Amino acid sequence: GENVEQHPSTLSVQEGDSAVIKCTYSDSASNYFPWYKQELGKRPQLIIDIRSNVGEKKDQRIAVTLNKTAKHFSLHITETQPEDSAVYFCAASRAGHNQGGKLIFGQGTELSVKP
Amino acid sequence: GAVVSQHPSRVICKSGTSVKIECRSLDFQATTMFWYRQFPKKSLMLMATSNEGSKATYEQGVEKDKFLINHASLTLSTLTVTSAHPEDSSFYICSASRQTEAFFGQGTRLTVV
Repeated sequence: GENVEQHPSTLSVQEGDSAVIKCTYSDSASNYFPWYKQELGKRPQLIIDIRSNVGEKKDQRIAVTLNKTAKHFSLHITETQPEDSAVYFCAASRAGHNQGGKLIFGQGTELSVKP
Repeated sequence: GAVVSQHPSRVICKSGTSVKIECRSLDFQATTMFWYRQFPKKSLMLMATSNEGSKATYEQGVEKDKFLINHASLTLSTLTVTSAHPEDSSFYICSASRQTEAFFGQGTRLTVV
């Protein structure tokens, strides 16, 4: 069935360093790949997403890359700050009319940014 | 962005009782909503897809008689945990999609004692 693998499960970096989280997916029909940030006890918040017709997307300190051939995508956070500390989830979806929104999540990465 | 509201945010119930959780899309219509379960420090596990006007589609391993889903209108889906037991204690969260983007409810922390 559909599966998304995410690594690493925990990541600790110094403030100002970069953080990279990687995901692979199994469903070759997936064409929408969002990344969520979740703080303890809160709902996931979308931070960036990418569609399969694009190889890279950037929004200030956050970037996502997608390799459809290899079926993997990555989140890059530069100049990390303590407030970036949270759990990050990748997800994959077939974003067609009948499948829109059914997200398969990776296992999550607990990012800790040390001052 | 769109707003999805989930209620209650926290509930404590006794073993054997049933608990209903509501998920509402406040500013858009959602023919499809999704219910997830999340254990502490774990990922969101898709439980079922709620379809307006028809039966929900459950993921493998999820008991449909245990987790009853009703999607009676374009803005409301409900999840009822029937005959709850301590192992049902978890964080339940719904989502609704507008186009491709998913919007999540606040989540419901269920504790069964």
